[in-house]
Parts: sequence; structure tokens; C-alpha cells
Amino acid sequence: QIQLVQSGPELKKPGESLKISCKASGYTFTDYAMQWVKQAPGKGLQYMGWINTQTGKPTYADDFKERFVFSLETSASTAYLQINNLKNEDTATYFCARGGYLGYWGQGVMVTVSS
Amino acid sequence: DIQMTQSPSFLSASVGDRVTINCKASQNINKYLNWYQQKLGEAPKLLIYNTNNLQTGIPSRFSGSGSGTDYTLTISSLQPEDVATYFCLQHSSRYTFGAGTKLELK
Repeated sequence: QIQLVQSGPELKKPGESLKISCKASGYTFTDYAMQWVKQAPGKGLQYMGWINTQTGKPTYADDFKERFVFSLETSASTAYLQINNLKNEDTATYFCARGGYLGYWGQGVMVTVSS
Repeated sequence: DIQMTQSPSFLSASVGDRVTINCKASQNINKYLNWYQQKLGEAPKLLIYNTNNLQTGIPSRFSGSGSGTDYTLTISSLQPEDVATYFCLQHSSRYTFGAGTKLELK
């Protein structure tokens, strides 16, 4: 069955970097784009952008054009989200989701940024 | 950018009630509107895509309607397992989520 399995929770200090993974299975990885969504604690969903899994080209929403990097390891059917120079406001759960409809979601990665 | 105004923010209803949740776009989104259900501590789940298409495996008590700028999610007979927060998402021009509707049992 289709699954997106994300990496585990992260605790980081301001200024550090992190890289979250999203491993896909149950379908051909390059047939669907991968999307990324942020959810701050107790808040709604915020769209971050997407990566074309055929070309590797990322597209970022306006609020995520600095410090955020989408990448792929196609041979491993895995997408990555890297966040550089972490800030307190990056504390959130980050989800990957498949395709234009965001039809399947990973379980989310809880990221805590605290000094 | 397209803005999505979702209402109500909070809804309390009884088992068996008909429930409606609304999303209004700041411009015509040509039915490119999805609905998601998020239960506490879980990832969102796609319920309906492109206004009125039920995702596989979703109960038929969920339905969607709308056009232009105004869209509605309807639960025809509320069940206890429907307690969740519901989000709309427009994907006509880029992507924008509504702020969410928290649905609880009365």
C-alpha cells in the first residue's frame, strides 16, 4: 500500500540546521510530486511548496524561500526538507504529502527549536 | 495570492446531525478545492478533491459542493468518529489552506 514514512522528532538550537526525510513506498516515486506542509503547535496548515520528483526542481511558497531546501534521493524514493539557520518560529510539525491533491501524507516530524 | 476564509472556526453538533462547513475564496478557484480531515495527533486525510469527488474509502456521508468562490463540505449524519478538524485547500493558483473548523460532539 502507499506509504510515506518520515524521520523521527528533532530537538535543535537556534542557528542549527536539520534535514527531514520522507520515504515513499507502494508507488513509482517519480510519478507524483512531493509537497511539504508546516503545522505550528495548535495552529492550522501552512503550505510550504513542492518538488518535481522527475526533474528535482523545487518551488517554494513565499514564506519559505529563505532557509528552506527541498531535495531528492530518487534511487531511494526519498524526499528531504532541510531547514537552515533554525529559528524558534520553526518549531512545528512538518508533513510531506504526495501529488497535486496531497492525497497521501506522511506521519509528520515534530521539530522543536529551543535554546 | 488567493485567500481562503473558512467558517465556522468551531462547531458543536450531536450524533446524527447534518453538519456544513464553508470555505470562501478571494477569487474564482474553478472548483479546485479539496477537503481534509485531521484527527488529534494524526496527519490530515484527503476526504474530497475538486469540490465533489469522494476519495476512495471515505464514507458516503461526506459530500462536497460549490463553484466560483463558495464551497461547502457536508456531513449528512454526524458520527462520533467524525470529531476532528477540517481544512479546505484551494489548488487553482498555487495552494492555500483554510484556517480550519474544529468539530466536536455536543
